[in-house]
Amino acid sequence: AQTVTQSQPEMSVQEAETVTLSCTYDTSENNYYLFWYKQPPSRQMILVIRQEAYKQQNATENRFSVNFQKAAKSFSLKISDSQLGDTAMYFCAFMKNYGQNFVFGPGTRLSVLP
Amino acid sequence: NAGVTQTPKFQVLKTGQSMTLQCAQDMNHEYMSWYRQDPGMGLRLIHYSVGAGITDQGEVPNGYNVSRSTTEDFPLRLLSAAPSQTSVYFCASRRVGTNEKLFFGSGTQLSVL
Repeated sequence: AQTVTQSQPEMSVQEAETVTLSCTYDTSENNYYLFWYKQPPSRQMILVIRQEAYKQQNATENRFSVNFQKAAKSFSLKISDSQLGDTAMYFCAFMKNYGQNFVFGPGTRLSVLP
Repeated sequence: NAGVTQTPKFQVLKTGQSMTLQCAQDMNHEYMSWYRQDPGMGLRLIHYSVGAGITDQGEVPNGYNVSRSTTEDFPLRLLSAAPSQTSVYFCASRRVGTNEKLFFGSGTQLSVL
C-alpha cells in the first residue's frame, strides 16, 4: 500500500517571499501521478499542480513549481512570491498509473503573513 | 456546469441518529468516492464506486453504507451516528481509465453530539 507523508504540520511565510512544502511517499509502483491540492478557509479543494512520474521535467504552474526526486520519493511544492490568498491547507496526494483511488498526506497548514 | 454537488453543507446529529449525505455529479464520471477529513490525518477514503451497482470499501468504512443506483448519485449513509464520526466529509469523482484529477464537492461539516 502507498503512504504519503508531509512532515511540516504548519508553516508561515512573509508575503512576497518563497516557501517550500515537503512531501515524501512510499510505493513500489514505477508509474504514478503526484498532486498538490490547496484547501483555503472556504474548504474547497483546488488542484494546484500535477506531476507524472515518468516525466523527468518538474511541473510548473505560474508561481507554483515542484521538485520531483523519484529516487528519493520526494515531491516538494515551491510557492514563489507568496500572496495572502495562498493561505490554506496544502495536501500532497498519490495515484498509481490508471489507478482508482488517491492517497492523501496529512496536510501542511500554510499562513502567509502581511 | 455544477460539477460535484454535496448536501447538506452543515449538519448536527445526536448520537444514535441516522442520516444520509447526498452527492451528485453531472460530468458522467464513472468513479465516485467519499472521504473524511480529520485534523492531522488528511483525507481518508471511506467508500468508492466505479460504476452503477458497484461499490467497494476504502480505508475507514465502518459505520457507513453506500449504494450506487445511478451514474450521477452516490449517497453516504450513517446508520447510527457516533461522536467519532464528527468530521468533514467530501465527495469526489473522476473518469475511470484516465490519470486526471479528482473533482471535489464543497464538503459537509458533520458534528455528532
